[in-house]
Amino acid sequence: AQKVTQAQTEISVVEKEDVTLDCVYETRDTTYYLFWYKQPPSGELVFLIRRNSFDEQNEISGRYSWNFQKSTSSFNFTITASQVVDSAVYFCALRWDYGQNFVFGPGTRLSVLP
Amino acid sequence: DGGITQSPKYLFRKEGQNVTLSCEQNLNHDAMYWYRQDPGQGLRLIYYSQIVNDFQKGDIAEGYSVSREKKESFPLTVTSAQKNPTAFYLCASSIGTGVPRDQPQHFGDGTRLSIL
Repeated sequence: AQKVTQAQTEISVVEKEDVTLDCVYETRDTTYYLFWYKQPPSGELVFLIRRNSFDEQNEISGRYSWNFQKSTSSFNFTITASQVVDSAVYFCALRWDYGQNFVFGPGTRLSVLP
Repeated sequence: DGGITQSPKYLFRKEGQNVTLSCEQNLNHDAMYWYRQDPGQGLRLIYYSQIVNDFQKGDIAEGYSVSREKKESFPLTVTSAQKNPTAFYLCASSIGTGVPRDQPQHFGDGTRLSIL
């Protein structure tokens, strides 16, 4: 079965702290795709990054970085020097190669306090 | 700008009433999806459509109906059979079933539905 787990329901940090959001996935497929989305208080989901199962290279984009480890089935997201505008719910999602749909994790609510 | 437009932003339903949520996209995407989000929870798939005139039930289709007569449009009707419709509804689209399958979903701004 395809499944995404985000064990952290809520995280609170003080501005400028680093924070890591965990994502663990389950799939039997050897080819699959992982995504992170941000949902700010306004409600829309904003796509942040995707990663293919055959590309384990980590990625950095400004203050955001992603650590993909197939050995532990994890695709963790780190925000460096967090800012108040980072406050949102973050979702990790999985799509497998022959699947029609996306499976979303339950989300992690991040609050960055000034 | 290309994107997904959902309307209305807020909607109120009376007991026994059907209501329809609109979703329009100009991204030329083949696939469209409807999700329901309850407070503090993740996304649950209601219906999806990979091509015009075809759609499939998701995990929580009971009490909902959809149509896909045009590529750009995928309206969702919340029927009176849905006894607990109060939620945030999100429409999404993606390129489709062909390769590359690493293309993300794009989301609308959502519709908040409440019971009067």
